[in-house]
Amino acid sequence: DQQVKQNSPSLSVQEGRISILNCDYTNSMFDYFLWYKKYPAEGPTFLISISSIKDKNEDGRFTVFLNKSAKHLSLHIVPSQPGDSAVYFCAASEDGNKLVFGAGTILRVKS
Amino acid sequence: GAGVSQTPSNKVTEKGKYVELRCDPISGHTALYWYRQSLGQGPEFLIYFQGTGAADDSGLPNDRFFAVRPEGSVSTLKIQRTERGDSAVYLCASSFAENTEAFFGQGTRLTVV
Repeated sequence: DQQVKQNSPSLSVQEGRISILNCDYTNSMFDYFLWYKKYPAEGPTFLISISSIKDKNEDGRFTVFLNKSAKHLSLHIVPSQPGDSAVYFCAASEDGNKLVFGAGTILRVKS
Repeated sequence: GAGVSQTPSNKVTEKGKYVELRCDPISGHTALYWYRQSLGQGPEFLIYFQGTGAADDSGLPNDRFFAVRPEGSVSTLKIQRTERGDSAVYLCASSFAENTEAFFGQGTRLTVV
């Protein structure tokens, strides 16, 4: 049973526009959520996180929104750049240590 | 080095053989994690160390898998009697302390033939 789901396997966006990546979870005990970015042949790189006590966290072009009632979070990238093209993983944790990952969304930003 | 280092980067082994995968965490990081990523999936948790002890090994799939971190720094993931289904990228991550951001290595791609 997948506790963290990323239902869009891929997303294509024009350079300069907004990219919105979505993630749903089922475990109500999750209280810490993260987004990682992964290039081919590299390990995942931490992007941004949010605690369950917040509903928004912003870092430069990246903003994460958390809707606890819907068990949904999203990552917004504005403006999107070709270098943002990568696989994006949503992850969640109950204890801040063991992470449960989604299957990932491939983002392609076209120039 | 500045980041998490994993060796080897690629390992091909025959079914039934024993393999060891090594992880050098970022200096000073007390927490160390092993994950496994199969094709088309996200990383799956295997085991987590705080210092020398395994704080949570609930993700190890069976008793063929074992991991150690004897001095609280370098860790080795050991797989006995490898099976074709063990083929995956094995990722290691470390963090300064519990509940802080984890930094991942580039992974070891294990192929069992």
